Amino acid sequence: DVKVTQSSRYLVKRTGEKVFLECVQDMDHENMFWYRQDPGLGLRLIYFSYDVKMKEKGDIPEGYSVSREKKERFSLILESASTNQTSMYLCASSYPDRIEKLFFGSGTQLSVL
Amino acid sequence: KQEVTQIPAALSVPEGENLVLNCSFTDSAIYNLQWFRQDPGKGLTSLLLIQSSQREQTSGRLNASLDKSSGRSTLYIAASQPGDSATYLCAVDKSNDYKLSFGAGTTVTVRA
Repeated sequence: DVKVTQSSRYLVKRTGEKVFLECVQDMDHENMFWYRQDPGLGLRLIYFSYDVKMKEKGDIPEGYSVSREKKERFSLILESASTNQTSMYLCASSYPDRIEKLFFGSGTQLSVL
Repeated sequence: KQEVTQIPAALSVPEGENLVLNCSFTDSAIYNLQWFRQDPGKGLTSLLLIQSSQREQTSGRLNASLDKSSGRSTLYIAASQPGDSATYLCAVDKSNDYKLSFGAGTTVTVRA
């Protein structure tokens, strides 16, 4: 089975801190994604990557950056955390063939105080 | 911009009843549509993926239909069970990229 692992289940940070969210997948997927999920808004795409060192902005990239130095790892970085970035963050991965399904990690619930 | 809507936001049914979940999208130029299940506090699990050239997909008690021209998809769950209680989300893959547009989901409660 595909496994997408997010390093933290819950995270509490202070305003202004630099925050790293890590995601690792074990199926050699080319594509990796970061979403945030807020009640009533569904999932919104922050960034995605279709190869090592490649990244593209999603719908809400402001305040975030990403890093993909190795194929299996995709990191989301909050340069200076703000309270409006309190959310559930979900990482996902897939093969590049678009008939393939998307596989998600269990999520990181981030609270910024 | 693709808008994906799921109505109702919540649904409660007695065990054994068939479930019908709706998803509508504004731009019919899609590549595929996926239905996901999300348990509380967990990530999403892909249930069914329908290519734009397909009309439906089936897996066990689940059947999803797609009508691109009207911008609608329906997920049917036959003979619901308490274990089907979860939030169900649909997501549309636009034709130009790999970005999925998600609906906000329908939260289903199946009462024993």
